[in-house]
Amino acid sequence: GDSVTQMEGPVTLSEEAFLTINCTYTATGYPSLFWYVQYPGEGLQLLLKATKADDKGSNKGFEATYRKETTSFHLEKGSVQVSDSAVYFCAPPLYGNNRLAFGKGNQVVVIP
Amino acid sequence: DTGVSQDPRHKITKRGQNVTFRCDPISEHNRLYWYRQTLGQGPEFLTYFQNEAQLEKSRLLSDRFSAERPKGSFSTLEIQRTEQGDSAMYLCASSLGVQGRDEQYFGPGTRLTVT
Repeated sequence: GDSVTQMEGPVTLSEEAFLTINCTYTATGYPSLFWYVQYPGEGLQLLLKATKADDKGSNKGFEATYRKETTSFHLEKGSVQVSDSAVYFCAPPLYGNNRLAFGKGNQVVVIP
Repeated sequence: DTGVSQDPRHKITKRGQNVTFRCDPISEHNRLYWYRQTLGQGPEFLTYFQNEAQLEKSRLLSDRFSAERPKGSFSTLEIQRTEQGDSAMYLCASSLGVQGRDEQYFGPGTRLTVT
């Protein structure tokens, strides 16, 4: 069945370090793919999206490329800031553009 | 555009009581979704509406849970005979449901505590 796999465990890194969070999925067809972010004490926010293969979504210095051949949508940022500390969720939809299938999320902690 | 709103933001209830939550989606959005999120987990899908029609329900949604969207605008989620395991954050989201513009926007959630 359709599913999403996000890399395990929290990520702790220093300010200005390079961030990568891996996400792979299995899905029927080629759905839109999303990354959401949840800052401490706040609700889920859409961070970026890609609607078709080879699309690159970008926002706030974050990027993710829709890789059909590897069914991946890894999130990257070249130089993180303390304000990027949050939980990041990869969320491709299941069954077309209906329910979102969230992974467990990755807690990212950026230390100054 | 004021975003998705949910009411109440917090609810504390005793086991066995009924509770009802409300969600107001972004005004032009025809799709509305309910999710549940527990601590340290990602949101889990509960149900979704296309306008007033409830098109899909998760197996997580026991018969104690019911959701409505009577006029295709706001939605309510009712939990009857609450149990401690129902304690969670209940999230509502809405979307246009149009290919390429199908991203879901989330409300702030209703945090339910069952004592």
